[in-house]
Amino acid sequence: QVQLHESGPGLVNPSGTLSLTCTVSGVSISSYWWSWVRQPPGRGLEWIAEIYHAGNTGYKPSLKSRVTISMDRSKGQFFLRLNSVTAADTAMYYCSTSSFAYWGQGTLVTVSS
Amino acid sequence: QSALTQPPSASESPGQSVTISCTGTSSDVGGRDSVSWFQQHPGKAPKLIIFDVTKRPSGVPDRFSGSKSGNTASLTVSGLQADDEADYYCVSSAGSFYVFGTGTKVTVL
Repeated sequence: QVQLHESGPGLVNPSGTLSLTCTVSGVSISSYWWSWVRQPPGRGLEWIAEIYHAGNTGYKPSLKSRVTISMDRSKGQFFLRLNSVTAADTAMYYCSTSSFAYWGQGTLVTVSS
Repeated sequence: QSALTQPPSASESPGQSVTISCTGTSSDVGGRDSVSWFQQHPGKAPKLIIFDVTKRPSGVPDRFSGSKSGNTASLTVSGLQADDEADYYCVSSAGSFYVFGTGTKVTVL
């Protein structure tokens, strides 16, 4: 059974960098495309980026200048880095397959000093 | 890359049906058969209930059905039950990225 688990700091300073890890278990990370999705408190879902084991990536155009998605196949992990964060980046961050069939439980990241 | 448009809310009595629309453009919904729908209960991760416009994942009851016409996809929930009260979101591929809908809160009266 595919399982995903997000981890990372729950609090990030404004203008700093948000860094999250998604650990995949139950399946080879090479089997799927993988995505990051976020949801600000009380608001809707927003797709951020995706990655495939061959190095292929895709980004939401409006976030592309601030986002990097990467992967460590040996550890079964993929990562999100979001630079120059503001309060608008405060959200629950989810990792999922890009088919969106499997999701982590989410991790809340708050941008505040 | 604007969000797909969904009605903010919908409501119906138990046992009845509710249909939610998801309107995009020819670059996303209208141009691809890759629309999915999710159910999200408060404090929970989204759950996939429809993919590729009309297909249901294993374990999802056939009370949930999807369709598409032009630039608008639709989700119909038949035989409404109390547990169907949730937020519902659509998503579509737009080529090199994905676009989510604005979300619809379904209330079972």
